[in-house]
Amino acid sequence: QKEVEQNSGPLSVPEGAIASLNCTYSDRGSQSFFWYRQYSGKSPELIMFIYSNGDKEDGRFTAQLNKASQYVSLLIRDSQPSDSATYLCAATTGGFKTIFGDGTRLFVKA
Amino acid sequence: NAGVMQNPRHLVRRRGQEARLRCSPMKGHSHVYWYRQLPEEGLKFMVYLQKENIIDESGMPKERFSAEFPKEGPSILRIQQVVRGDSAAYFCASSPGKDRANNEQFFGPGTRLTVL
Repeated sequence: QKEVEQNSGPLSVPEGAIASLNCTYSDRGSQSFFWYRQYSGKSPELIMFIYSNGDKEDGRFTAQLNKASQYVSLLIRDSQPSDSATYLCAATTGGFKTIFGDGTRLFVKA
Repeated sequence: NAGVMQNPRHLVRRRGQEARLRCSPMKGHSHVYWYRQLPEEGLKFMVYLQKENIIDESGMPKERFSAEFPKEGPSILRIQQVVRGDSAAYFCASSPGKDRANNEQFFGPGTRLTVL
């Protein structure tokens, strides 16, 4: 079992729709969770982080964390073609070590 | 405020040569991480360092790979006697390291290593 698991996709949504990206983690000691976006050939860029149960909203993005279920999600509202990228979920353990999932590819169709 | 800097951006080496990858963290950041990414794959943790200390190197291959973050200057990832399987993108990230709760990492542009 991978420490951080994501569906590889691709996830395809029409422009303007809500894209829902999911992630599960195995280490109950994980404390902080991050979502990064990575365009092909580029470096990852931070979208959001969350460390408390519940929802956290930032513009069109909402991160959700459920520690009991060991589940993290990212919702993208009003999806745009420019949102097409690979989305990486990451979890930080008791120290500062961070484990990344393999990413979910998102395609937003115009 | 400059971001994380990495150089070189592209590096070509022949089998058996040494590769040195450099990373300068963001100003004010004391933690540096190195990751490797193969094409169409995720980021694989290699090593986490603070100034003059290796904190966690559990992702580093046991042989040929080493990392340092000296008191002065950039962090260095060194690969000795490179093999074709070392060809990958190597990303460095830095974080403030002040608070475990929101210790977000910021990535450099990466070094693309090609071993001929």
